[in-house]
Amino acid sequence: GESVGLHLPTLSVQEGDNSIINCAYSNSASDYFIWYKQESGKGPQFIIDIRSNMDKRQGQRVTVLLNKTVKHLSLQIAATQPGDSAVYFCAETANQGGKLIFGQGTELSVKP
Amino acid sequence: NAGVTQTPKFQVLKTGQSMTLQCAQDMNHEYMSWYRQDPGMGLRLIHYSVGAGITDQGEVPNGYNVSRSTTEDFPLRLLSAAPSQTSVYFCASSMYPGQGKNIQYFGAGTRLSVL
Repeated sequence: GESVGLHLPTLSVQEGDNSIINCAYSNSASDYFIWYKQESGKGPQFIIDIRSNMDKRQGQRVTVLLNKTVKHLSLQIAATQPGDSAVYFCAETANQGGKLIFGQGTELSVKP
Repeated sequence: NAGVTQTPKFQVLKTGQSMTLQCAQDMNHEYMSWYRQDPGMGLRLIHYSVGAGITDQGEVPNGYNVSRSTTEDFPLRLLSAAPSQTSVYFCASSMYPGQGKNIQYFGAGTRLSVL
């Protein structure tokens, strides 16, 4: 679950395993969602997006699932690699664009 | 193709000083925004612009000013720096969100310390 304050939620996985990162979004009117990856010392990098009229979207090694009933978003990373180690943020927006609201982030650590 | 370029990368200020964080993009994006990121937290929107000559406030605008005289540039001004403004600042840009997408592309950030 989410924690408050200065400590990010963390997920530690073994190289080659699948990772699932969860996000609870706040606005039931949000209709567009994005996952970003942020490596240490860098800006956030776009991974994958999904609109609210979809439940699932797949990219290369990543899948995003959207459950609007419980306002939950997840990012699945297949065959996790050391290069996947980073902080992952979900972001939501309403009205198909405009201001993005970012979640707190989850730190993914991949053990070789 | 440089994308979003932020300068400087690092800055140390004394309380009360003013400065401008620069942001430029070469993708002809209409939408630009500034965020701050504090330890263990997500990004919080400071100001944004949907095109040249148009700016609006985000979640945490106090103490910051912006202007957008060209499509390419979106500077962020700290009027009188305070220790609470110590943070990492990110600029981002995207195509104008009129097609159901708002993929924002981020710069590398400016790390600011206010003493």
